Amino acid sequence: DQQVKQNSPSLSVQEGRISILNCDYTNSMFDYFLWYKKYPAEGPTFLISISSIKDKNEDGRFTVFLNKSAKHLSLHIVPSQPGDSAVYFCAASLNTGGFKTIFGAGTRLFVKA
Amino acid sequence: DTGVSQNPRHKITKRGQNVTFRCDPISEHNRLYWYRQTLGQGPEFLTYFQNEAQLEKSRLLSDRFSAERPKGSFSTLEIQRTEQGDSAMYLCASRPRGLGAGDTQYFGPGTRLTVL
Repeated sequence: DQQVKQNSPSLSVQEGRISILNCDYTNSMFDYFLWYKKYPAEGPTFLISISSIKDKNEDGRFTVFLNKSAKHLSLHIVPSQPGDSAVYFCAASLNTGGFKTIFGAGTRLFVKA
Repeated sequence: DTGVSQNPRHKITKRGQNVTFRCDPISEHNRLYWYRQTLGQGPEFLTYFQNEAQLEKSRLLSDRFSAERPKGSFSTLEIQRTEQGDSAMYLCASRPRGLGAGDTQYFGPGTRLTVL
């Protein structure tokens, strides 16, 4: 039961161009969505999040868009840099008194110089 | 370094052996999580502690798995009678008290388990 799906295992982008990473979810009860970045041999690191009551959140070169009707979110990176090359995980959190975060399978981004 | 630390970083064991991993969260983070990550997948939730109380466990956490956080600080994850299917990266994360579900978790580097 994959509640968070990242359908693109990899994405290749030229330096300076826009990177768009996509994520779909099935549970309309999720109340936060997050993006994490992971380099090899390191744990995931938080990048940006968005509340389910918002449709956009921006932090520097990173912008997350949420389309609740389509149950879809995307991460835009502009301009892309070679240091952005990593695996990006989409995640969704559900506060049920306890707490659970569900991750997608990840998209590997390659930014070519 | 005040990040989340995990030990050991790598563990190779034979099928049937018991293994124990340790996680030291960021100081004063009262919430601690364990995840398992296999190749080509994202982290899968295993269990969650608030202080020393284990508040939630995934159905992935079979009877062979046990986690503790005895004093509300570090945590251990033990796998008994390991199987080859237990081979994975085991990640620990912590989060400070308060605030909402959207707050970020801080991950350690993980322990990679290989069961031969």
